[in-house]
Amino acid sequence: NAGVTQTPKFQVLKTGQSMTLQCAQDMNHEYMSWYRQDPGMGLRLIHYSVGAGITDQGEVPNGYNVSRSTTEDFPLRLLSAAPSQTSVYFCASSSYRVGTGELFFGEGSRLTVL
Amino acid sequence: KNQVEQSPQSLIILEGKNCTLQCNYTVSPFSNLRWYKQDTGRGPVSLTIMTFSENTKSNGRYTATLDADTKQSSLHITASQLSDSASYICVVIADTNAGKSTFGDGTTLTVKP
Repeated sequence: NAGVTQTPKFQVLKTGQSMTLQCAQDMNHEYMSWYRQDPGMGLRLIHYSVGAGITDQGEVPNGYNVSRSTTEDFPLRLLSAAPSQTSVYFCASSSYRVGTGELFFGEGSRLTVL
Repeated sequence: KNQVEQSPQSLIILEGKNCTLQCNYTVSPFSNLRWYKQDTGRGPVSLTIMTFSENTKSNGRYTATLDADTKQSSLHITASQLSDSASYICVVIADTNAGKSTFGDGTTLTVKP
């Protein structure tokens, strides 16, 4: 059972470049979300989705886009990378059917913007 | 504003010793509270869940407590091991919807031999 899979694990970008962080889950979870984690800080919500075709902004959405065309996939796009976006990014999913709110996290994608 | 505050920010203990991590919250309404363990370079993993009616719950050497009246929770680790070195994150959920989660900043625990 793969759970939540994130790719790539590591990425180095130059300022102004664009890229997509991939996230896939195989648990048929309705809820998916992206967080960034900076040194000494907690997880901050970037964007989230409550189902295919439905997305919304979290606490720190600027500079990021998302889409949810299928239940399984929730990619995060950086349109024009900035050094302030250097961080570790986590994707997570959760089931509404189970109803406890447990989040299942991927292993993270470490992004460095030069 | 919903907030979750954890203390201490970091903690160093010797292997075999016990420790207690604290979590205070102002989230309302309250559904449940989870403690997550995050190993270095990994994603967080749920350790335990506390609902409104639960006061104490154990998971091996981890024991979580909840005082819903004072809005405080603690995570007690007994007979610490080197593998307990990690960040411990308190997450309070205002609903059973994970989208209503409020995260603490975590406590970084280092267990030294």
